[in-house]
Amino acid sequence: DGGITQSPKYLFRKEGQNVTLSCEQNLNHDAMYWYRQDPGQGLRLIYYSQIVNDFQKGDIAEGYSVSREKKESFPLTVTSAQKNPTAFYLCASSTISSGANVLTFGAGSRLTVL
Amino acid sequence: GESVGLHLPTLSVQEGDNSIINCAYSNSASDYFIWYKQESGKGPQFIIDIRSNMDKRQGQRVTVLLNKTVKHLSLQIAATQPGDSAVYFCAESGKTNAGKSTFGDGTTLTVKP
Repeated sequence: DGGITQSPKYLFRKEGQNVTLSCEQNLNHDAMYWYRQDPGQGLRLIYYSQIVNDFQKGDIAEGYSVSREKKESFPLTVTSAQKNPTAFYLCASSTISSGANVLTFGAGSRLTVL
Repeated sequence: GESVGLHLPTLSVQEGDNSIINCAYSNSASDYFIWYKQESGKGPQFIIDIRSNMDKRQGQRVTVLLNKTVKHLSLQIAATQPGDSAVYFCAESGKTNAGKSTFGDGTTLTVKP
């Protein structure tokens, strides 16, 4: 089945540690995205990538880093510089077309800082 | 800056009734508007989209209406079922936004049996 796989589903981190969230897609989509979701709020864009080896900052990129070495993979690192990292993280992908940019989402990764 | 917002954070309806979820947007240059459904603990899923040059689009049990004059769109769900209970997001996207999507805060729909 085609889709997006995020791992781990749950992750606990101590303050001062970096953690990396995995995102893999087999949809052959060119674009990939990372969103952050806090309780009762919408999705805020962290980083996005429209092509391999290139990515752009979203609205809340501070304290996060990404890489796009392969078309299928877009890992997100939450660094110790992120002041409030506890959140639900969603990875998404899409084709790049002149039409609606419909996103396909993964199941999410819930990060809790202890 | 751009913003997309929903009128009400929560909506409770009786099973079998119709549901209407509203959304306001600020970017009049948006190409498309998209509705997503997010069930608890899962990622959002695409429901329906509408291009900015359309007023109405229908899907299976869902209808989206777009009023560009007042920058408002709505999602109507007919004969609401318990499985419709979820958080609903509207998002705007398109070429004017470099392919990115801007999401509203979401409306939580609860269907009472």
